[in-house]
Amino acid sequence: GAGVSQTPSNKVTEKGKYVELRCDPISGHTALYWYRQSLGQGPEFLIYFQGTGAADDSGLPNDRFFAVRPEGSVSTLKIQRTERGDSAVYLCASSLSTNNEQFFGPGTRLTVL
Amino acid sequence: AQSVTQLDSHVSVSEGTPVLLRCNYSSSYSPSLFWYVQHPNKGLQLLLKYTSAATLVKGINGFEAEFKKSETSFHLTKPSAHMSDAAEYFCVVSTNFGNEKLTFGTGTRLTIIP
Repeated sequence: GAGVSQTPSNKVTEKGKYVELRCDPISGHTALYWYRQSLGQGPEFLIYFQGTGAADDSGLPNDRFFAVRPEGSVSTLKIQRTERGDSAVYLCASSLSTNNEQFFGPGTRLTVL
Repeated sequence: AQSVTQLDSHVSVSEGTPVLLRCNYSSSYSPSLFWYVQHPNKGLQLLLKYTSAATLVKGINGFEAEFKKSETSFHLTKPSAHMSDAAEYFCVVSTNFGNEKLTFGTGTRLTIIP
């Protein structure tokens, strides 16, 4: 069956621009997670949704980062006024519910010039 | 707060020899622990997980890990390495009381020598 998909796979932008990263979870999965993986590091938690609501957004680094999941399925991570330090691979994962295995997508590689 | 420390950033073994990837954890509560593998240009895949049942956990592809509370360790092993095992491996602990928020180690890159 289809796994978690993320688009685009690569995004190059200029400092100060706005970007949106999309995540399509596995059908029927109610929980959705965003992580960020910088070069040479393990993924770091950003935010997770249970249904449409953000259950924990404690990992968002600052108010330039925002995520939505309006219908409880697809999620969009939005980054305003991008900075070079935002360059990383952004990973999305979904699970049937919390306390279940998280399935990861291939990630979106964001490069801020 | 919970955290994991992967003791080796890079491990090289010859094909057919045993693999040992080391991980120590720190947790205020009874932890859930995981090992994930990341092959180049592929998504993270769960190898195995420990959730307070049996201390010896068997995973996919012949990997297993043993939870040792006295040593706060969760080392990953495999009796005989295969070329396809070359990848990045992450030891992971769950925060909160479930696995809503995963905390990853910095990773161990496993190289298999033919």
